[in-house]
Amino acid sequence: GDSVTQMEGPVTLSEEAFLTINCTYTATGYPSLFWYVQYPGEGLQLLLKATKADDKGSNKGFEATYRKETTSFHLEKGSVQVSDSAVYFCALSRNAGGTSYGKLTFGQGTILTVHP
Amino acid sequence: GAVVSQHPSWVICKSGTSVKIECRSLDFQATTMFWYRQFPKQSLMLMATSNEGSKATYEQGVEKDKFLINHASLTLSTLTVTSAHPEDSSFYICSARDLRGPQVPQHFGDGTRLSIL
Repeated sequence: GDSVTQMEGPVTLSEEAFLTINCTYTATGYPSLFWYVQYPGEGLQLLLKATKADDKGSNKGFEATYRKETTSFHLEKGSVQVSDSAVYFCALSRNAGGTSYGKLTFGQGTILTVHP
Repeated sequence: GAVVSQHPSWVICKSGTSVKIECRSLDFQATTMFWYRQFPKQSLMLMATSNEGSKATYEQGVEKDKFLINHASLTLSTLTVTSAHPEDSSFYICSARDLRGPQVPQHFGDGTRLSIL
């Protein structure tokens, strides 16, 4: 079945440091890939997405590129801020039909803490 | 942007009580909504897929009689935790899928924190 694996956290960085959170996936076909962010006590917010190979999703300084050859979708940001502290989830969604259509498969989440 | 409203955001009740959680899509129609459960510092576990006008599809291991789902309209799905016990305490999150398909991401509610005493 489909699966998503994220790097284990927690990740602790100083403000303005470079961030990478690794994400790899296993799926048949060509899924869409997403990064969601969850702030304490809240639901999930879409951070960025990519729907086909070599697409780059970007938002709020975060970027991720859909790499089909390595089945990866690593999240990066050049300079993190304290306000980026949250839990980040990598996820995939099947684009074809069948019982898995539209369902999101999540990675385990990575806790990011940014210190001033 | 698309908004999903989830209510209540927080509920505390006694063991044995039934609790209803509402999930509404405010500015779009959603034939499909999803219900997730999240334990502290863990990922989201899909409980069931709620389909407008038909029975929900439950994931393996989720008790249908414990977690009743109703999706009576294109903008509202409800999850009722029946005869809740302390082990049902958790953070429940709903999401709604835009009709345009899976390439348009699901929109999530802000979650409901359920505490059973």
